[in-house]
Amino acid sequence: SQTIHQWPATLVQPVGSPLSLECTVEGTSNPNLYWYRQAAGRGLQLLFYSVGIGQISSEVPQNLSASRPQDRQFILSSKKLLLSDSGFYLCACEGWPSYEQYFGPGTRLTVT
Amino acid sequence: DQQVKQNSPSLSVQEGRISILNCDYTNSMFDYFLWYKKYPAEGPTFLISISSIKDKNEDGRFTVFLNKSAKHLSLHIVPSQPGDSAVYFCAGGGGSNYKLTFGKGTLLTVNP
Repeated sequence: SQTIHQWPATLVQPVGSPLSLECTVEGTSNPNLYWYRQAAGRGLQLLFYSVGIGQISSEVPQNLSASRPQDRQFILSSKKLLLSDSGFYLCACEGWPSYEQYFGPGTRLTVT
Repeated sequence: DQQVKQNSPSLSVQEGRISILNCDYTNSMFDYFLWYKKYPAEGPTFLISISSIKDKNEDGRFTVFLNKSAKHLSLHIVPSQPGDSAVYFCAGGGGSNYKLTFGKGTLLTVNP
């Protein structure tokens, strides 16, 4: 079964600073990978998904970007953070051969 | 367009009784539905799923019912336990993409 690692667990960053969140997956190869955000009191919003190395699909226009430099590595970035970027960021991996998604432990980002 | 709706933001039940969590959807193209459980500051945990060709799936204390004509699904937890207290998300997926669409969640509180 898959294991999803995310770091850091918590992060406090000032407005205008850059961001890099990393997600790595063990126990599977060529997985579909996803970045979600859960804002305070809100549901899970899909930000990006990737079906392979270098293949990124964006779901919402924003100042965030994603990259997949390796098969089991997914990175979420920003050049300049906004206050509205605060939230709980989750990386997920699609199970295979099933369709469930499995989530990492998440990163709590606070932009001050 | 909110394709998956969980209209009850919260639900409170007594230990040992049944918890019924509801979810409505609008997208007829969903092939499957999933329920996730989420504790604060943790990633969601997959609970149970159901294919659109079935109307019931059971796993221990958890049963999911699907009413396609009403575009409605529900999660039954019997008997409810205090450890079940969490936010529950329903999600729909399928068609030609790899995405899940989540509801906004329902906070279940099971009182001892």
